[in-house]
Amino acid sequence: DAKTTQPTSMDCAEGRAANLPCNHSTISGNEYVYWYRQIHSQGPQYIIHGLKNNETNEMASLIITEDRKSSTLILPHATLRDTAVYYCITASNYQLIWGAGTKLIIKP
Amino acid sequence: NAGVTQTPKFRVLKTGQSMTLLCAQDMNHEYMYWYRQDPGMGLRLIHYSVGEGTTAKGEVPDGYNVSRLKKQNFLLGLESAAPSQTSVYFCASSYPIGQGMSSGANVLTFGAGSRLTVL
Repeated sequence: DAKTTQPTSMDCAEGRAANLPCNHSTISGNEYVYWYRQIHSQGPQYIIHGLKNNETNEMASLIITEDRKSSTLILPHATLRDTAVYYCITASNYQLIWGAGTKLIIKP
Repeated sequence: NAGVTQTPKFRVLKTGQSMTLLCAQDMNHEYMYWYRQDPGMGLRLIHYSVGEGTTAKGEVPDGYNVSRLKKQNFLLGLESAAPSQTSVYFCASSYPIGQGMSSGANVLTFGAGSRLTVL
C-alpha cells in the first residue's frame, strides 16, 4: 500500500497557485519525497523531489514541514495544461509505491 | 535524444498467447523498471533491474518474466496471457543521484506506455 495520503481531487482557477497537500506521517529519515504527474494517459512525468529542505525548480515548489510528516506541492501559476493526476511518493530506494494520486482540474 | 521508448504501443492478444514488450533507453541509465497501471489506480511495479544481467521481482511479478541482456534494453514477457493482464504497461529508467541509493534520490524517466488487451 502507498505510504502517502492525498485528496482524491482538487480544482484550481487558471492563473492562480495550485497547492496540493500530501500526508506521509510514517516517513523515515532517509526517505525522499517525490512528486510526479500524469497527464491523461501519458507516462508519468517527474516534477520535483526533496529530503528535508524546501525545493524549487522551473516547474514547482515543494514545501516539507519541519517534522517531515507532510508536504505541499505548489504550482505557482496554474495553466490548463497542468490538469493531471499528481502523485506524492516517499521512498528510500528504487521501489516507489504509487497511490491513486490527486486529480487536479484547472478551470478557465 | 529519445529518452525511453516502448514498443509496441498497442497490442491485442488472445488468452494463452505470448508476447514481449520492449523498452529501450538512450540515457545510459543503470536502473530500469516495468510497471502496470489499471484504470483509476496508481502504478504497480512488476519487475526491475539495477544493472545489465540482473533482474528482481516487484509487487506484482506473477505471470511475467523479464530480461536485461543489454544495459539499454529491458524486455517484459508474457508467456501465457490472461484477461487479468489487460492493462497499460509503463517502462521507466533511472540513475541514482549521489553515491548510491542510500544517499541519493532516484528520479525516473518514463516511456509513453503500451496498452495491452487480452481477450
